[in-house]
Amino acid sequence: DIQMTQSPSSLSASVGDRVTITCRASQGISNYLAWFQQKPGKAPKSLIYAASSLQSGVPSKFSGSGSGTDFTLTISSLQPEDFATYYCQQYHSYPLTFGGGTKVEIK
Amino acid sequence: QVQLVQSGAEVKKPGASVKVSCKASGYTFTTHFIHWVRQAPGQGLEWMGIINPSGGATNFAQKFRARVTMTSDTSTSTVYMELSSLRSDDTAVYYCAREFGGNSAVDYWGQGTLVTVSS
Repeated sequence: DIQMTQSPSSLSASVGDRVTITCRASQGISNYLAWFQQKPGKAPKSLIYAASSLQSGVPSKFSGSGSGTDFTLTISSLQPEDFATYYCQQYHSYPLTFGGGTKVEIK
Repeated sequence: QVQLVQSGAEVKKPGASVKVSCKASGYTFTTHFIHWVRQAPGQGLEWMGIINPSGGATNFAQKFRARVTMTSDTSTSTVYMELSSLRSDDTAVYYCAREFGGNSAVDYWGQGTLVTVSS
C-alpha cells in the first residue's frame, strides 16, 4: 500500500496568514493526488484533484502543487472559514490511502 | 444539483451486520463509481472500497474484503454498503463519495452515517 505522510499534523495561524501543508507519498504517484477540507461534524469537502486542479466552486486562495512523491497545499490568505482539518489522498492505485490530516487552528 | 443522501444512524451489537444506503440524484447514476470511506471518532479517513453502479464491479481494501459487500440498485439510484461481523472498532461515520473523471478522484460526498457498535 502507498503510505501518505502529511506535515505538520497541526498548526496555529492567524487570519491573513499564508499556510502551506505538505504531503509525501511512499512511492511515486504522478499527479494522482487530492486534497480535502473537513470541519467538525461535517463530511469532507473536495478541494483539489490532480495535484493542482481546483474543484468547481473552490476559491482561488487554495492552490496545490507537486508531482511524483512530494505535494503541497497552500492557502494564500487564511480566513476564519478555513480553520479545519485538511487531508491528502492518493488515487494512483488501490487501496486508495489518505494522509493523517493537518489541523489548522486559530492562533 | 448532485446529491448523495445517506441513511440514518444505526446502533448494532457486536457480531451483527449493518447496511448503509447512499441515494444519488442530480446526475446519471450509472456513469460514476461510488467510494465508501469511514472515519472512527477523532480519527482520520479510511478508504473501504469502490463500486461501479453499472454492473456492480467492486474493489475493496484488503482489511475489509472478508466482511464488506457493496451493491447497487439502478432502479432507485442507490448504492448499499453492508459490513458484517461488527466489532466495537467498527464504530465510525461511514461516507459515500462520487468518483469523477474516470480515475478514482472524488468530487461529491454524502452527509455521513454514524454506525455505533456496542453491547
